[in-house]
Amino acid sequence: EIVMTQSPATLSVSPGERATLSCRASQSVSSNLAWYQLKPGQAPRLLIYGASTRASGIPARFSGSGSGTEFTLTISSLQSEDFAVYYCQQYNNWPLTFGGGTKVEIK
Amino acid sequence: EVQLLESGGDLVQPGGSLRLSCAASGFTFSTYAMNWVRQAPGKGLEWVSTISASGGNTYYADSVKGRFTISRDNSKSTLYLQMNSLRADDTAVYYCAKKGRADNGGCYFDYWGQGTLVTVSS
Repeated sequence: EIVMTQSPATLSVSPGERATLSCRASQSVSSNLAWYQLKPGQAPRLLIYGASTRASGIPARFSGSGSGTEFTLTISSLQSEDFAVYYCQQYNNWPLTFGGGTKVEIK
Repeated sequence: EVQLLESGGDLVQPGGSLRLSCAASGFTFSTYAMNWVRQAPGKGLEWVSTISASGGNTYYADSVKGRFTISRDNSKSTLYLQMNSLRADDTAVYYCAKKGRADNGGCYFDYWGQGTLVTVSS
């Protein structure tokens, strides 16, 4: 099983600042990496797939990068609606696995 | 507009059974693999199971293998999860999720439902 490790667990950021979230895989997943946003009481939302392709309707302030074992999700200028928990997921191998999540909170 | 609506979550005793349903609309259901993903209270996301578009192939997390069965009825655009021998650690919100691509490529999830809560407790 591929273990996905996200860091930091919590990120405190002021609105308008840049947020950088990391995700590491225990073995290469090529570019088969997705990022999701979760807010309480809402359906999870796909942000990025293929490590760097924004999903339909996702604002340009969200960007993904990386390949192999190291990945980054960057939110260039945090808006109030971006405070949430973010998860990475690898889909290179079965079983599909998620990271433990990064909570982005208001500083 | 893609919509996924889960139902069937409930309070059930350990060792009991439950069947979850997910009604899909807004896309050609029979073309896409479908999935169940869960989130236990205070925990992260955990993939549970995937079924191919035709229903001919299924995949399970080790934690549910032999106890849960995923199935689908393409004529009704509905996904199911039969859950048997339930345990306390199965307590979670269960999400139905659509695979992000119709081909045989890797499985990420482009649309999710709001989830249904399953509580296993005596």
